[in-house]
This record gives sequence, structure tokens and C-alpha cells, in this order.
Amino acid sequence: QVQLQQSGPGLVKPSQTLSLTCAISGDSVSSNSAAWNWLRQSPSRGLEWLGRTYYRSKWHSEYSVSVKSRITVNPDTSKNQFSLQLSSVTPEDTAVYFCARGTDGYLDSWGQGTLVTVSP
Amino acid sequence: QSVLTQPPSVSGAPGQRVTISCTGSSSNIGAGYDVHWYQQLPGTAPKVLIYGNNNRPSGVPDRFSGSKSGSSASLAITGLQAEDEADYYCHSYDSSLSGWVFGGGTKLTVL
Repeated sequence: QVQLQQSGPGLVKPSQTLSLTCAISGDSVSSNSAAWNWLRQSPSRGLEWLGRTYYRSKWHSEYSVSVKSRITVNPDTSKNQFSLQLSSVTPEDTAVYFCARGTDGYLDSWGQGTLVTVSP
Repeated sequence: QSVLTQPPSVSGAPGQRVTISCTGSSSNIGAGYDVHWYQQLPGTAPKVLIYGNNNRPSGVPDRFSGSKSGSSASLAITGLQAEDEADYYCHSYDSSLSGWVFGGGTKLTVL
């Protein structure tokens, strides 16, 4: 049973960097069959995939074109977790952020969600 | 505006059958990419209901089924129950965006 536990601040100031972490239990961030994703959900933008990292002989990262210039998703093998960094945030980045495991193209395990508000 | 189009809401009485449509284009569903469906109860994370167009994870009742044809997909729920009241989302891959895309979500109300 895979469990994902999210952590990070719920309030970020405009122009700063949003940082969240997702700790994995029951699987490995280095798995050759899983991908580790970040998504967000807001009333204005709906459910939106942001990016992912995965290991297939080497590390790969893929990002949504909507945030590609501002996002980094990194694995941390020492702690079996992965992280999200989103730079230069604006109030439009206010949303509930989720981490999720991807298997065979779909998302089968999700974190609990973190409401991040961008405000001065 | 979401890449995949779903009706904002559907409703049905207990015991009835409802369907939720998901319309895409030639760069996603029409290109042959799989469609997945998620159920989201208030205040919780989405949970996969159907994967790979028509497959149910263990634990999901067989009242839920999925289908796909051309550039569209559908989720059918038979024998509606009060506990089915939730938001439902479709999900696929889009080759022009090189990323995953979702529908805008459909709120199911059990009358």
C-alpha cells in the first residue's frame, strides 16, 4: 500500500518560490515502473498536471508547458521523497497542490493535498 | 478552459443509471491515448475509478464502467447510490501539449 505524505508551507509571498515535499512509503522514488507527479487544483484552472520525475536507467523530468519556465521537480533518493519548486509565484498560483504516483499512465496513489495561498 | 470537455453537472435518482461524457480531440483521445476516470469526494484527493478506458481497480464496484469511441469517452454509473455523489474527472495524454490533460469535472447529484 503506497502512501504519500505532503509537507510544506501554506502561505507564500508573491514573487517568491513555492516549495513542497512528498514523502513516499510503500514504494521507491527510484522505481523503474512508477513516475512521481505534482498537480494542482483551483476553481479557475480546474485540475492541472504540473510535472513529474521518474527513473528509467537515468533520471528524467517532464513539465507542463504552462509552468515549464518556473518549475523544478526533483527526487531525493536518500529520503525516498520528491519535491516541487515553483518560482516567481503570483496569486494565480493559489491552489490545492497534490503529489501522486503514476503507473501505466494513470494516477493510482495521491497525497492528501496542500492548500497554498499566494498573498503578501 | 479544459482540454477535455465534460458536462458541469449530471443528476439521477437512486437506482438509476447516469453517464458522464468526456470529449477530446485528435491530439488526445482521438489519437488513441487511454482515458482514465477519477472520483473526488469533498475535501479529499481524487481516487482512480477507471483506468485504461475500461478497467476497474480492485475495490471499485462493477456499477462503474468506462468506454471510449473516437475522440470521446464515457463513464457510466448504474444503480446510483447516495455515496456516489461526488465530482468526476476524465484524464488523458495530449501529444500537442506533451503532457497530461484533464476534463473540467462533472458534479454528480443523487436526487
